[in-house]
Amino acid sequence: AQSVTQLGSHVSVSEGALVLLRCNYSSSVPPYLFWYVQYPNQGLQLLLKYTSAATLVKGINGFEAEFKKSETSFHLTKPSAHMSDAAEYFCAVTSNQAGTALIFGKGTTLSVSS
Amino acid sequence: GAVVSQHPSRVICKSGTSVKIECRSLDFQATTMFWYRQFPKQSLMLMATSNEGSKATYEQGVEKDKFLINHASLTLSTLTVTSAHPEDSSFYICSAMGGGAGEQYFGPGTRLTVT
Repeated sequence: AQSVTQLGSHVSVSEGALVLLRCNYSSSVPPYLFWYVQYPNQGLQLLLKYTSAATLVKGINGFEAEFKKSETSFHLTKPSAHMSDAAEYFCAVTSNQAGTALIFGKGTTLSVSS
Repeated sequence: GAVVSQHPSRVICKSGTSVKIECRSLDFQATTMFWYRQFPKQSLMLMATSNEGSKATYEQGVEKDKFLINHASLTLSTLTVTSAHPEDSSFYICSAMGGGAGEQYFGPGTRLTVT
């Protein structure tokens, strides 16, 4: 079985500050991990993914995440927040088996103040 | 590449009627499609997994007779909400993947409102 825990349902930062969104996973098989962003009333946009290659993954819009097996974590970071980063962020896990669904965390709302 | 569309984007229907939502992979063949449901301010919950040409696999607690899923071709899956009730009002999102493992491509979602 697989699961994802996102610590902190709401994170607030100032514009220009570091963004850190936490994600821990549980998986009995090697995981594939993803971060998605969702703006109001829209679908999901993939930020980045880990699929067993490099443990430090760089994504779009300046985001990156590091896979740490020993900590079962896949935290999302961005050095400097922009107002446009305010959105809902979801961490998700799946396995390396074809046709396996994504299991999502509960999401973290990121607010950015000026 | 890897674009998934959903139609309609928004639908309002009366209680007791049925509504069909289409999910299409526009530039790849989707051997597997997934249907998710998202309530306001909540995460995506997997409803069912459908493979082309076979019956969908429903998650525990999802009524297969109420949420009919058809995956008749490698580019189209449909979700029909039968005898809709106000509690079925939600944001429905589909995703599709090709033959490999890993990344899914998400549709833009369908906002269903049952009055």
